[in-house]
Amino acid sequence: GAVVSQHPSWVICKSGTSVKIECRSLDFQATTMFWYRQFPKQSLMLMATSNEGSKATYEQGVEKDKFLINHASLTLSTLTVTSAHPEDSSFYICSVGQQETQYFGPGTRLLVL
Amino acid sequence: AQSVTQPDIHITVSEGASLELRCNYSYGATPYLFWYVQSPGQGLQLLLKYFSGDTLVQGIKGFEAEFKRSQSSFNLRKPSVHWSDAAEYFCAVGTLSGYNKLIFGAGTRLAVHP
Repeated sequence: GAVVSQHPSWVICKSGTSVKIECRSLDFQATTMFWYRQFPKQSLMLMATSNEGSKATYEQGVEKDKFLINHASLTLSTLTVTSAHPEDSSFYICSVGQQETQYFGPGTRLLVL
Repeated sequence: AQSVTQPDIHITVSEGASLELRCNYSYGATPYLFWYVQSPGQGLQLLLKYFSGDTLVQGIKGFEAEFKRSQSSFNLRKPSVHWSDAAEYFCAVGTLSGYNKLIFGAGTRLAVHP
């Protein structure tokens, strides 16, 4: 399956700053990538579907102005958490859609102080 | 509505014992079904998947799962658990929407006693 990387693996930032997380498909040209959020000891919550060359599709309740997604190439999607606050602290995971299967990155842990 | 239920939040087994993790789904058509494993602080690794054909599917790390349409189940099994199998296990169903979104169960945390 597709090999997916994320950068950074963890980030600490001050409240009010913006943080960018990169998701790369290393061996597959991905027209579709997904962004998830996971709280401790909970399941994954889909935030948005990232489509190469077009606007992302956000799930209900996810603020598109808060979580900016850009999928500028077939190998890179970025998630920017704008004006981060402590409640945005979480584990963010991306995945690559390869036909019917999703392959996941290692995740990025965000801590907002 | 589509949903996935993993009835067991936490399971503890002894090393070498057999394992079965339960998964029930609700879906209007023949689903695409997946099992993923997540170690602490890591992403998800695909263990196995079912799309069609033989209802008993083999995966990595010695895991297998059986699709039972009559019971809307896709239980994960392993005949002999190793300490390294301790992790969180997620069952998921593919929605077959335009973007093949996944619906995840709540997860089952597996602990392995030596």
